Amino acid sequence: DVQLVESGGGLIQIGESLRLSCAVSGFNVNNKYTSWVRQAPGKGLEWVSSIYSGDSRYYADSVKGRFTISRDNSKNMLYLQMTNLRAEDTAVYFCAGGHSRFFSFWGRGTLVTVSS
Amino acid sequence: EIVLTQSPGTLSLSPGETATLSCRASQSVSSSYLAWYQQKPGQAPRLLIYGASSRATGIPDRFSGSGSGTDFTLTISRLEPEDFAVYFCQQYLTSLWTFGQGTTVETK
Repeated sequence: DVQLVESGGGLIQIGESLRLSCAVSGFNVNNKYTSWVRQAPGKGLEWVSSIYSGDSRYYADSVKGRFTISRDNSKNMLYLQMTNLRAEDTAVYFCAGGHSRFFSFWGRGTLVTVSS
Repeated sequence: EIVLTQSPGTLSLSPGETATLSCRASQSVSSSYLAWYQQKPGQAPRLLIYGASSRATGIPDRFSGSGSGTDFTLTISRLEPEDFAVYFCQQYLTSLWTFGQGTTVETK
């Protein structure tokens, strides 16, 4: 059974940093696409970042240069390091992944609130 | 970046009716790289359709997807009470994944 569980969200000040974690079970993060997708309050889905086999990493323009996606194959974990956070980064962050480039499996999300 | 535009924004229907949702892409996606998701309040999205027309595991056959190029459709036949939700299309042709803004299917 596939399970993704996010953690690390919380209330943070503008300009600060935060690291989100996603514990994955049921598939290996080292050879599948795994991603972060966010949803601002009352808004739609926004793809944030993805990582694939090797060191292929992809970022939305809105977070490029501020966010870094990574994984720990030994722990089967996915991470999102977020720096220089802005008010517009406030959202529920979902970890998602699967056997292809679409998102078969999703976590329940973790809320990040960036406040002044 | 491929922009996906969904219409209508809101669809008001009764149980038993058929919902037809549209997703239009700003450039060709080809039929292999378009997915649909369902999201209910407070829940994570759920994959319904991938490759424009293939149902994901466990998805009832009242959900069907069609289309190619720039125009795609999600059809929900015989709406059940649990189908009232928000639906998003997504393209995964490029490594800048994008979603449509969503269509809400609400009870009339």
